[in-house]
Formats: sequence, structure tokens, C-alpha cells
Amino acid sequence: DIQMTQSPSSLSASVGDRVTITCRASQGISNYLAWYQQKPGKVPNLLIYAASTLRSGVPSRFSGSGSGTDFTLTISSLQPEDVATYYCQKYNSAPRTFGGGTKVEIK
Amino acid sequence: QVQLVQSGSELKKPGASVKVSCKASGYTFTSYAMNWVRQAPGQGLEWMGWINTNTGNPTYAQGFTGRFVFSLDTSVSTAYLQISSLKAEDTAVYYCARGDILTPYHRYNWFDPWGQGTLVTVSS
Repeated sequence: DIQMTQSPSSLSASVGDRVTITCRASQGISNYLAWYQQKPGKVPNLLIYAASTLRSGVPSRFSGSGSGTDFTLTISSLQPEDVATYYCQKYNSAPRTFGGGTKVEIK
Repeated sequence: QVQLVQSGSELKKPGASVKVSCKASGYTFTSYAMNWVRQAPGQGLEWMGWINTNTGNPTYAQGFTGRFVFSLDTSVSTAYLQISSLKAEDTAVYYCARGDILTPYHRYNWFDPWGQGTLVTVSS
């Protein structure tokens, strides 16, 4: 099975900082990669699909890139409402594995 | 609008069974797969498997075979997750999430939307 490894597992940054989260697949998955945001006590929410397509309504400070095995989620200017755990997920076949998550906090 | 509404929280004793429902609305139920995802307290998201809403064929992830059963009632656009012989370690929030597009042909798809989650607590 393909493993999805996220890094870092947590980070603390200041408001306005640029934040980058990486996700690595143990084998190539083309661009079948989604990013989800889960705020504390809430349901996971789709941010990005097909590695780089922003879901409608998601702020443009979020962006995704990558293909094959290496992917990144970038928040260009961190806002207080971005405090959450972020998960990547491969969806090109079973198992639809999630990364371990990256907890983002404000410094 | 497209939404998934799950049944309410459950408190069960070890050894009991539980059945969680996920009612879909706003789209053609049999055109999309339904996935189940577990989130144990303080832990990450774990994909449990999916059910083909067209054929009723379930696929279970490793670690979710035997005690876990996915089923459907297409007449009411509802998917079900049943867990038998409950253990304390089954305590978690269980989510349903719409996935792959099934018609006119199968296409991989991200998870959206998600149900609001059902907390299952197993305690004596």
C-alpha cells in the first residue's frame, strides 16, 4: 500500500507568515491528491483537489502544488482563522490513505 | 444543497453492536460512492473503506474487516455502518463522505461533502 507522510507534524507561526506543509507519497499518485482542513471540534473540509485546484470559496491565500510523489500546501499569509489540522489524502485507488496531519498554531 | 446527515451519538457497552446512518440529499445517491472514515480521540483521519452505491459492493480497509459492515438503503438514499462486538478502542467519531463518481463510468474523486460525524462511545 502507498503511504502518505506529512511534515512537519506541527508548526507555530506568526500572523502574516508564509506556511508550507509537505506531503510525500511512497509511490507516484499522479495528481490524485487532496488537502483537507479540520478546525478543532469540526468536520474535515476540502480545501484543494487534484493537487492544485482550489475548491470554490476557499481563500486564495491557500495553494497547492506537486505531482507524482511530492506535494505542498502553502498558506501565503497565515490568518488566525487558519488554526487547524491539515491532512493530505491520496484518492486514486484503495486504500484512500490520509497523511498523519499537520497541526498549525499561531505563535 | 448537497449534504450528508448522520445519526446521533451512541453510548454502547463492550460487546454490543451499533448502526450509524448517513442520509444523502441534493444529488443522485447511486451516482457517487460512499466512504467511511474513523477519527479516534485526539488522532488523525483513518479511511475505513467504501461502498459502491450502484452495486452495493463494499471494500474494507485493512483493520476494518470482520466486525465492520457497510450497507445501503437506496430507497431512502442512506448508507449504514454497523460495528459488532464493540470494544473500548472503537470509541471514535465516524464520518461518512461522498467519494468516487460512479456513473456513467467510474472516476476517482475527492471526499466532499462529509457528514457531521457520529460519536460512538464504548464504555462499561
